[in-house]
Amino acid sequence: DAGITQSPRHKVTETGTPVTLRCHQTENHRYMYWYRQDPGHGLRLIHYSYGVKDTDKGEVSDGYSVSRSKTEDFLLTLESATSSQTSVYFCAIRPSGSSHNSPLHFGNGTRLTVT
Amino acid sequence: AQSVTQLDSHVSVSEGTPVLLRCNYSSSYSPSLFWYVQHPNKGLQLLLKYTSAATLVKGINGFEAEFKKSETSFHLTKPSAHMSDAAEYFCVVSDPGYSSASKIIFGSGTRLSIRP
Repeated sequence: DAGITQSPRHKVTETGTPVTLRCHQTENHRYMYWYRQDPGHGLRLIHYSYGVKDTDKGEVSDGYSVSRSKTEDFLLTLESATSSQTSVYFCAIRPSGSSHNSPLHFGNGTRLTVT
Repeated sequence: AQSVTQLDSHVSVSEGTPVLLRCNYSSSYSPSLFWYVQHPNKGLQLLLKYTSAATLVKGINGFEAEFKKSETSFHLTKPSAHMSDAAEYFCVVSDPGYSSASKIIFGSGTRLSIRP
């Protein structure tokens, strides 16, 4: 257990509404990530953070924003949800920082449905 | 360019028979390679990792993988399948020399089914 909690675990929302997903970690790791998982695509990086207030975009960042005001919390916001953002969202941490040898550790995911 | 190809989207084996899940990668560097397993409605769990030490890597639950640079492969094997191995498996490549997350690439996954 990597000490990662994602909330909510499930959410149904309507097109055009804002949605915020939360990732909370208990181990003070510097690097945190948001991925989305869709059938046939594996996991794709949305945004990541390398410290408080330090974030950067991933390969599928359009329509998403993030914030990290505390080490332990990394928030993902869909400013105006669209049906194409229906997906399972995973938060991950990387205990050994930026080393490419360090594996990611994942939360249990948030299933988001946009109707 | 960096890429990962999982050659089978679905593999079905009988309980007690060997498992082979195939992964080919492309990298300009000396990458690290990982296999993850995902059970239904769960997050991804690390099975094993290759980080330029021994080419044969042993992981949890009896799985192992062999890094073959000449074939650019990192296939996952298990001698005898168990019903609890039914899950989705992901091959992942991570390159050095980039920012902290921009070059971690996931394969599209292989769903492993186990027949009784």
